[in-house]
Amino acid sequence: EPEVTQTPSHQVTQMGQEVILRCVPISNHLYFYWYRQILGQKVEFLVSFYNNEISEKSEIFDDQFSVERPDGSNFTLKIRSTKLEDSAMYFCASTEQGAKETQYFGPGTRLLVL
Amino acid sequence: SQQGEEDPQALSIQEGENATMNCSYKTSINNLQWYRQNSGRGLVHLILIRSNEREKHSGRLRVTLDTSKKSSSLLITASRAADTASYFCATRTGGGADGLTFGKGTHLIIQP
Repeated sequence: EPEVTQTPSHQVTQMGQEVILRCVPISNHLYFYWYRQILGQKVEFLVSFYNNEISEKSEIFDDQFSVERPDGSNFTLKIRSTKLEDSAMYFCASTEQGAKETQYFGPGTRLLVL
Repeated sequence: SQQGEEDPQALSIQEGENATMNCSYKTSINNLQWYRQNSGRGLVHLILIRSNEREKHSGRLRVTLDTSKKSSSLLITASRAADTASYFCATRTGGGADGLTFGKGTHLIIQP
């Protein structure tokens, strides 16, 4: 069964450094999402992406964040200058026909900012 | 309460018993989805129920939706130790590529 994959599974970085989290959505899916989950808290929506542009973003998704689909398979989340509070699990999700349908989540990248 | 709030926050039952978790939300929804998360792992999709549906089944799972009360329930029958996980409801309110709004989850423990 097709799955969303994410790399790396864990990343440790120093405050102020840039990180890029990578996702490979399910191949025939057209809508892509990033979410985060701070330890012990609820999963929070960051951004949705369709047709090579951002469709919707939350208040969390400020100028430090950016997303890109650099090729036909990868979908990336970049944090330009990480802060301690960016430490969280970051999930990528994809869906075939938008939010009417099931969003399939990847296993997540655990980011630790020191 | 916030959009997508589950209760109880934690539930501990014996293996073989049924587990019921509830979710309440505030605004109108297009659909509601239930996910499972094992400790520190990814989110596994369980069931999607649309606003015009009242009940759905999938194996040992039964989900109900009452849009008049803005609530949903997830029933797991004949629970197994492997069902131990956190369960989240997530709602989608708008159109297009809207992100989901998650609740805080119910932590379910199945005791053997």
